[in-house]
Amino acid sequence: GQQVMQIPQYQHVQEGEDFTTYCNSSTTLSNIQWYKQRPGGHPVFLIQLVKSGEVKKQKRLTFQFGEAKKNSSLHITATQTTDVGTYFCAKGGQGGSEKLVFGKGTKLTVNP
Amino acid sequence: DTGVSQDPRHKITKRGQNVTFRCDPISEHNRLYWYRQTLGQGPEFLTYFQNEAQLEKSRLLSDRFSAERPKGSFSTLEIQRTEQGDSAMYLCASSPSRSDEKLFFGSGTQLSVL
Repeated sequence: GQQVMQIPQYQHVQEGEDFTTYCNSSTTLSNIQWYKQRPGGHPVFLIQLVKSGEVKKQKRLTFQFGEAKKNSSLHITATQTTDVGTYFCAKGGQGGSEKLVFGKGTKLTVNP
Repeated sequence: DTGVSQDPRHKITKRGQNVTFRCDPISEHNRLYWYRQTLGQGPEFLTYFQNEAQLEKSRLLSDRFSAERPKGSFSTLEIQRTEQGDSAMYLCASSPSRSDEKLFFGSGTQLSVL
C-alpha cells in the first residue's frame, strides 16, 4: 500500500534520555516530512528531507533520510518535557499525487 | 493572526444531520487540503484544491462528503447524513506552492456524531 510505517507507536522516557523514532516505506520516497503534534494541538511542520543520505539538525533534533530513500529517522538528544507530543512522518506526493501520506505517529511522553 | 483558520472548533450533531465546516487558508497559499484524524491515528487525506480546482479526492471518501473552494480562497467541507463513524477531527491545511510542500494546519473542527 501507500502507507509509511512508524515505530515505535509509543515511547516513554525519563527527562534527559534520548529518543528515536523510525519511519519506513516499501517504496522509494521522493521526500519525507516530519511533523509534531502536541496534545490537543494540530500538526506543526518540523522539516523536509529530499536528498539520499541527508542529515539535518535543529538544536537537539537530528533528522536522517536513508541512502535508499526508503526510511527516515528523528532523534532527540536529552529530551525535555517540552518534547512531549506525537511525531509523524509523511511521505510526499508520488505518481502524480500531490497529497502527503502520514504515518500513525510515535507518541512521546517524558517523565520529569 | 495570519494562520489557517477553521470554524467551528467543535460541532456536536445527531446522526443523519448535515454539517458544514469552513477553512480560511493563509492568504497567499493557493493549495488547500482537508484531512481527517481519529484518536491515535495520523491525519488521513480527504481532498485537495489548487486555487478553486479540486484536483484530488480520496477513494475512501464517501459520496456524503463534498468540498468546495469557490473563489480559490476559503473552503467548505460538507458531510451529509452524518454517521457515528464520521466522528473525528477535521483538519484543514494550506501550502504556498508545489515547490514548497510543507503544510500549515489549522486547529481543526472536532465533530461528534451522537
